[in-house]
Amino acid sequence: GAVVSQHPSRVICKSGTSVKIECRSLDFQATTMFWYRQFPKQSLMLMATSNEGSKATYEQGVEKDKFLINHASLTLSTLTVTSAHPEDSSFYICSARDPTSGYNEQFFGPGTRLTVL
Amino acid sequence: TQLLEQSPQFLSIQEGENLTVYCNSSSVFSSLQWYRQEPGEGPVLLVTVVTGGEVKKLKRLTFQFGDARKDSSLHITAAQPGDTGLYLCGIWDSWGKLQFGAGTQVVVTP
Repeated sequence: GAVVSQHPSRVICKSGTSVKIECRSLDFQATTMFWYRQFPKQSLMLMATSNEGSKATYEQGVEKDKFLINHASLTLSTLTVTSAHPEDSSFYICSARDPTSGYNEQFFGPGTRLTVL
Repeated sequence: TQLLEQSPQFLSIQEGENLTVYCNSSSVFSSLQWYRQEPGEGPVLLVTVVTGGEVKKLKRLTFQFGDARKDSSLHITAAQPGDTGLYLCGIWDSWGKLQFGAGTQVVVTP
């Protein structure tokens, strides 16, 4: 299957700082990528849809000014957590839809563990 | 309200036993996907079911899509510790977004 990478895999930061997470599709071009958030022992919650060349669309309750998304190219989307606070600590996972695969298959990155002190 | 209902939420079994995870909804879906996620990693796609009544097998895993395309099940035969993980069903909503059920945490002990 297609490969999606995330960087960094783990980050610890101080409260008030900003953190950028990168998501790359390695062997296909993705016009659409997605960002999810996952708390321990829970399912994935969709945060936003990242569209190449246009603004991201955010799910209800997700602060777009806090979670900045940029889809600069067909293989890269970034999520920046601005002015991070301890409650932003979570596991962030991106995914990318491979337009060449059947049934709109979506491939996930390995996730980024964010800890805000 | 959740689009997909998964059950059970947690399942702990001994190696060699069988288990079944269910995914249900009141809506009809064109397709449904099953994923497995291990701790600290992203979900990995196991299968996509498309046709009502369809049965797909992946080694010891059997996936079934209900005739009415509103429900699906995942059955694991002779579970092994390597089957431990969070099992998620997912469907595409009307806006083209992949939405997940709450997940079933499976623990297989030796």
